[in-house]
Amino acid sequence: DGGITQSPKYLFRKEGQNVTLSCEQNLNHDAMYWYRQDPGQGLRLIYYSQIVNDFQKGDIAEGYSVSREKKESFPLTVTSAQKNPTAFYLCASSIVGQANEKLFFGSGTQLSVL
Amino acid sequence: GDSVTQMEGPVTLSEEAFLTINCTYTATGYPSLFWYVQYPGEGLQLLLKATKADDKGSNKGFEATYRKETTSFHLEKGSVQVSDSAVYFCALSGTGGFKTIFGAGTRLFVKA
Repeated sequence: DGGITQSPKYLFRKEGQNVTLSCEQNLNHDAMYWYRQDPGQGLRLIYYSQIVNDFQKGDIAEGYSVSREKKESFPLTVTSAQKNPTAFYLCASSIVGQANEKLFFGSGTQLSVL
Repeated sequence: GDSVTQMEGPVTLSEEAFLTINCTYTATGYPSLFWYVQYPGEGLQLLLKATKADDKGSNKGFEATYRKETTSFHLEKGSVQVSDSAVYFCALSGTGGFKTIFGAGTRLFVKA
């Protein structure tokens, strides 16, 4: 079955530590996205990528970094500069990253601070 | 900037009750409108969409009509089931680049 796989499902970060969230898709989609979800709030865009080796900042990119070395992979690193990292992180993809396309989501990673 | 406003939850209904979740938007141009659903511990999945004024999106008994005059896209279902318990997100895209803008989500509880 095609889809988006996020791992791990739960992740704990210590003070001053960088952590990396994995996102892999086998849908052959060009565009990939990272969203952050906080309780009672909508999804906020962190980074997006429309093509391999290229990505752009979203609305809340500070304290995060990404790479897009392969079409199927879009890992997100939460750096120590992100002072409030506790949230549910969702990876998504779409076919070509054009307007009006629907998004396909992974099942998410819950990140907590120890 | 563009935005989406949904009614606050949680919404608690008994099985077979009628559901309405209100959604209004502010946008330049002519966005596409979406409803996504999120079941506990999972990502979002598309429930329905409408791409132009007066279009009606429908799926699994849920419906929503794109109303340009009232800038609304309210979600309705005639008879809810316990399995409909989830968080519902209204969203828009297509007004500036390809970014999708989400509302805050409305949690629905359906009691047996």
